[in-house]
Parts: sequence; structure tokens; C-alpha cells
Amino acid sequence: EVQLVESGGRLVKPGGSLRLSCAVSGFKFRSYVMNWVRQAPGKGLEWVAAISSSSSYIYYADSLKGRFTISRDNAKSVLFLDMNSLRAEDTGVYYCARGDDYGEMDSWGQGTLVIVSS
Amino acid sequence: EIVLTQSPGTLSLSPGERATLSCRASQSVGSSYLGWYQQRPGQAPRLLIFATSTRATGIPDRFSGSGSGTDFTLTISRLEPEDFAVYYCQQYGSSATFGGGTKVEI
Repeated sequence: EVQLVESGGRLVKPGGSLRLSCAVSGFKFRSYVMNWVRQAPGKGLEWVAAISSSSSYIYYADSLKGRFTISRDNAKSVLFLDMNSLRAEDTGVYYCARGDDYGEMDSWGQGTLVIVSS
Repeated sequence: EIVLTQSPGTLSLSPGERATLSCRASQSVGSSYLGWYQQRPGQAPRLLIFATSTRATGIPDRFSGSGSGTDFTLTISRLEPEDFAVYYCQQYGSSATFGGGTKVEI
């Protein structure tokens, strides 16, 4: 069974940093593109970043302006999102999602909640 | 960046009715790179349709997708109680973006 389990979300002050993790099982992690997608409270989905299977290609949403870094550890089947200079508008649920053949996101975790507030 | 605009914002229907959801892109999207997701309250999104018209594993055939270029449609032929949810289109051909969503409510 494919499983993706996010962790690391918590309350953090504006300007702070946070590392999110996504532990996966049930599929060959090293063969898939992986994504982070976020959702502000009561709002829609926003794609954040994607990383290719070997980390050769990395893409970010323009709105992040270099504050976030996506990475992966294929040996441990874990995806990461490092977030710096956090702002109130970064508050939301962060999902990791597996990318399939053309980039569609066919498996999702249940999300981890990040709250940026003083 | 490709902007996706979904309409209507909310669709009020009854079980058994047909739902037609629209997704319009600001520039052309390859047919292999357009998908639809369902999100029920408190749950993660679920892939329904990829490559414009291919149903994901386990998705019932009352869900269908169509379209090309800049105009795409998700149709639910006969609404079941579990279909009342929010639906998002997504393009993943040029980076990735989601539409703003359509809420299907009773």
C-alpha cells in the first residue's frame, strides 16, 4: 500500500524556519518525482515545489522567491521542505504528493499543519 | 505562469443530477498535462482524471473529462451523495498550477 506521511508542522514565529518531512512507503521512492502542495485555511490548493527522482531537476512556485528548498533522501525514502523567513501567509496544511508519468499527482499524504504567528 | 480559472465557483445540485465543471487556461495546455482532483472536507485531494480524460485507478465511470487547448470540462453524470465536494483542475505541463476550485453542494 502506498503511504505518504508528513511531519514537522507546528507553530512558528514570523521570520522563523521550519523543516517538513514526508516519509513514504509502498512504492519505489527513487523512481518518482515528488511534490509539495499547500493549502491556506479555507482556500484552494497551491503547488509549492517539485523535485525529480534523482534531484537533478527542481522547480518552485514563483511566489516563494527563494525562501523554500525542496530535497530528498532516496536511501531513506524521505522528502523534505526547508522553509525560511516564514510569513503569516505561509500558514496552512502542507501536503506531499507523488508525481506520476506526466506529472499528475496520484498519491497524497494527509498533510501537516504549519501556523506562522507571533 | 499558466493561470487556470474554474467556473462556476459553486454549483448547487441534487443527487442524481448531472454536474458540468469548467476549467479555462490562460494559454494552451497539452492534453497530457491536465488533471482533476476531488477534495472532501478534512481530507487530502484525490486524483480523479489525468491526461484530460483518463480516469485514475478506482474512479467510477460517472466521472469523465474532456477538452483541449485552453478549455477543459469535468462531468459527473449522476451525482452520488459522496460526490459533493470541491473539485480542482491542475496543469502540470509548464511547472504546475491549480485552479481556484468549484464547490459542488446540495
